[in-house]
Amino acid sequence: TQLLEQSPQFLSIQEGENLTVYCNSSSVFSSLQWYRQEPGEGPVLLVTVVTGGEVKKLKRLTFQFGDARKDSSLHITAAQPGDTGLYLCAGVRGGSYIPTFGRGTSLIVHP
Amino acid sequence: GAVVSQHPSWVICKSGTSVKIECRSLDFQATTMFWYRQFPKQSLMLMATSNEGSKATYEQGVEKDKFLINHASLTLSTLTVTSAHPEDSSFYICSARETTGLHEQYFGPGTRLTVT
Repeated sequence: TQLLEQSPQFLSIQEGENLTVYCNSSSVFSSLQWYRQEPGEGPVLLVTVVTGGEVKKLKRLTFQFGDARKDSSLHITAAQPGDTGLYLCAGVRGGSYIPTFGRGTSLIVHP
Repeated sequence: GAVVSQHPSWVICKSGTSVKIECRSLDFQATTMFWYRQFPKQSLMLMATSNEGSKATYEQGVEKDKFLINHASLTLSTLTVTSAHPEDSSFYICSARETTGLHEQYFGPGTRLTVT
């Protein structure tokens, strides 16, 4: 059983479209990170959310942490080809510091 | 953000030989580093947690005698794949966790291992 369910698994869209990626769990996390990974490279940290209901923005990317700290979403506005990559969410439960990763969302943005 | 390096970035070795991969945190100290394995178009699979000055903690199903981990300093952890076989071919990624603040982890660029 996957502790962190990430959806959708694959997403292929046209440049300019909006999209949302979801990360859901039945567990409470003390923090949750979102990463973006390009082929052949390591994941790059985009954001960390720690407070229930928290919203963080990074240019066209908006990250939200659920009120109960069990879920999170990533919304991309006006997607660009440069947004193409594998998006990963990772939750950390209190006292553990060992992150649990979702399966990832492979995003392709066509020009 | 913090920088983590990995060396080598890619390696080809013959079946039966051993390969060592280094993971370094360049601008911060990391008492904890993680080693992951990743298959094409899949998420990261945690192999082991490496703690400075103590034995690594391996995830279920990961052979500790095959994947030797050494974390001798606050900036260096190594993963040695012993007696490598073709099924060990994969993308290996390390990460280092900050000991302060949000304890965020930063990833290395990965090592592509091909065993022939």
